[in-house]
Amino acid sequence: QQQVKQSPQSLIVQKGGISIINCAYENTAFDYFPWYQQFPGKGPALLIAIRPDVSEKKEGRFTISFNKSAKQFSLHIMDSQPGDSATYFCAASMGNDMRFGAGTRLTVKP
Amino acid sequence: SAVISQKPSRDICQRGTSLTIQCQVDSQVTMMFWYRQQPGQSLTLIATANQGSEATYESGFVIDKFPISRPNLTFSTLTVSNMSPEDSSIYLCSVKGAGGVGELFFGEGSRLTVL
Repeated sequence: QQQVKQSPQSLIVQKGGISIINCAYENTAFDYFPWYQQFPGKGPALLIAIRPDVSEKKEGRFTISFNKSAKQFSLHIMDSQPGDSATYFCAASMGNDMRFGAGTRLTVKP
Repeated sequence: SAVISQKPSRDICQRGTSLTIQCQVDSQVTMMFWYRQQPGQSLTLIATANQGSEATYESGFVIDKFPISRPNLTFSTLTVSNMSPEDSSIYLCSVKGAGGVGELFFGEGSRLTVL
């Protein structure tokens, strides 16, 4: 069953703009929320992750915003670059159970 | 992070045949996870492979179709049996990070096309 809902399905952003991808989860037992980046022909790579006791985490141009009460979290990519063009997956996990969102295909136009 | 190697990276298979995918990790891990990623889709967990015990399968996946071996703490295989075109997918091996924070690391995947 779909436990993590991700939107939008696809996103086109101009170079230098901000890319925002949203996810919502259902199970309040989830305690770890990673984002993965996947390039064509490659496996998913961990990009950034957050735990529910923190409302925001920033690593370089990538920021996760987390709203525990709304059961939502989002990825913000600042100053988006063509090299950021990839598919992004959010996920939520507890223990060994990790559930993935449907993915967002990001295209950054030069 | 863990370095995960998968073989084959891609293959084209005939309907009705079986193919075994190998996964090698550069460190000893208790659990290895096998995921399927259908074209343009998300990742779905097939099974969890523990060394020394039977793999645990997720709903919708059965051992007869996806037998798994886990002979030691650094290696696992997934066999896709009696393949049909619907099995055309990327199959991914993954392991948890050693830091214990819950992150998963993935191999490059094995892209199977069934004709």
